[in-house]
Amino acid sequence: GEDVEQSLFLSVREGDSSVINCTYTDSSSTYLYWYKQEPGAGLQLLTYIFSNMDMKQDQRLTVLLNKKDKHLSLRIADTQTGDSAIYFCAESPYTGKLIFGQGTTLQVKP
Amino acid sequence: NAGVTQTPKFQVLKTGQSMTLQCAQDMNHEYMSWYRQDPGMGLRLIHYSVGAGITDQGEVPNGYNVSRSTTEDFPLRLLSAAPSQTSVYFCASSYSKLAGSTDTQYFGPGTRLTVL
Repeated sequence: GEDVEQSLFLSVREGDSSVINCTYTDSSSTYLYWYKQEPGAGLQLLTYIFSNMDMKQDQRLTVLLNKKDKHLSLRIADTQTGDSAIYFCAESPYTGKLIFGQGTTLQVKP
Repeated sequence: NAGVTQTPKFQVLKTGQSMTLQCAQDMNHEYMSWYRQDPGMGLRLIHYSVGAGITDQGEVPNGYNVSRSTTEDFPLRLLSAAPSQTSVYFCASSYSKLAGSTDTQYFGPGTRLTVL
């Protein structure tokens, strides 16, 4: 079946790096996504990675994909208080459908 | 473009009442979806549509109906509300029909529904 797992909470200090981890089960997903949800708001796409890539970097964001272990991670460099939010990992087993993890709440302490 | 809009933002219902959550997009997107978000469970797909006149069930369709008479609108109907349907509901839309597309799903701001 399709399942995406994430840890629920991460706390870091401002300026440190944050690493949010995710595991997924459906190896047919062509793309994997990271979404960000700020309090009271909808979801915003942060970044995505194609399943045949190992790494993708986008400014302060680095996505690592280990396809063998079905493990995805999101690293945020120089974490700021504005990065405090819930981060969702998602896979797309077929068009129009996203399977989300439970979301990781990132708390950034000044 | 207004993007994806949802109304109402908040709603309180009594058990057994019916209502329709509205969703509209002005981006000419083919795909539209409804998700519900519950604490600790992420977002779960309720129903989705790949184009006008075509709808299909997601993970948690029971108690909900949808229709897609136009490209722009994708209303979600609760037939007889139950406390288990208390949740935040998000509508999303995207363009591409291709499998594995990177096309971003754009999310609306959500509707917070409480069923007493």
